[in-house]
Amino acid sequence: EAGVTQFPSHSVIEKGQTVTLRCDPISGHDNLYWYRRVMGKEIKFLLHFVKESKQDESGMPNNRFLAERTGGTYSTLKVQPAELEDSGVYFCASSQVTSGLYEQYFGPGTRLTVT
Amino acid sequence: DAKTTQPPSMDCAEGRAANLPCNHSTISGNEYVYWYRQIHSQGPQYIIHGLKNNETNEMASLIITEDRKSSTLILPHATLRDTAVYYCIVRVGGSSYKLIFGSGTRLLVRP
Repeated sequence: EAGVTQFPSHSVIEKGQTVTLRCDPISGHDNLYWYRRVMGKEIKFLLHFVKESKQDESGMPNNRFLAERTGGTYSTLKVQPAELEDSGVYFCASSQVTSGLYEQYFGPGTRLTVT
Repeated sequence: DAKTTQPPSMDCAEGRAANLPCNHSTISGNEYVYWYRQIHSQGPQYIIHGLKNNETNEMASLIITEDRKSSTLILPHATLRDTAVYYCIVRVGGSSYKLIFGSGTRLLVRP
């Protein structure tokens, strides 16, 4: 069974540009989460989808970040326009059931560098 | 903020047991304790979780004190590949099951 995949693995963009990160969860997992770690900080929750609906987006830093999950399968996270402080590693995770008692499986992350 | 406190670093010898402590004195009755680890440059990896009983799986054992205010993750026979940052997480309930990561314990397994 394929794990959580993320694309791209690395992205280097200039300040002001737009970047879109993609996450493909494990097949059949309704729950999808985005997290990120910016330099020197802890891993922080961004948002949680249940199928195509946003269950919790309390961790989204500002309106430059837009997450979508059309059709309840893969998800994208767009940063527009990117700022220097957005540099970090963005992780996606998925889990099987809404009860939350099942572990979240994480992808390898996308390393974003904004110059 | 994270609801857990862990030592910033520990080390142990290869082949020996690694015992990683965690304090979670404000844990609520329906909150679970989860352990994840992050090996360099990889995504966090689930290890084990528990509510109040001790748990064991193929990776580790989790010992939770009777008052549930602390727990210990035990890697029975640590290998070099167990060198990683270990996170003890009290899972937030409600409608979102987000994980709140603290700074974790950096475990170094020595040859």
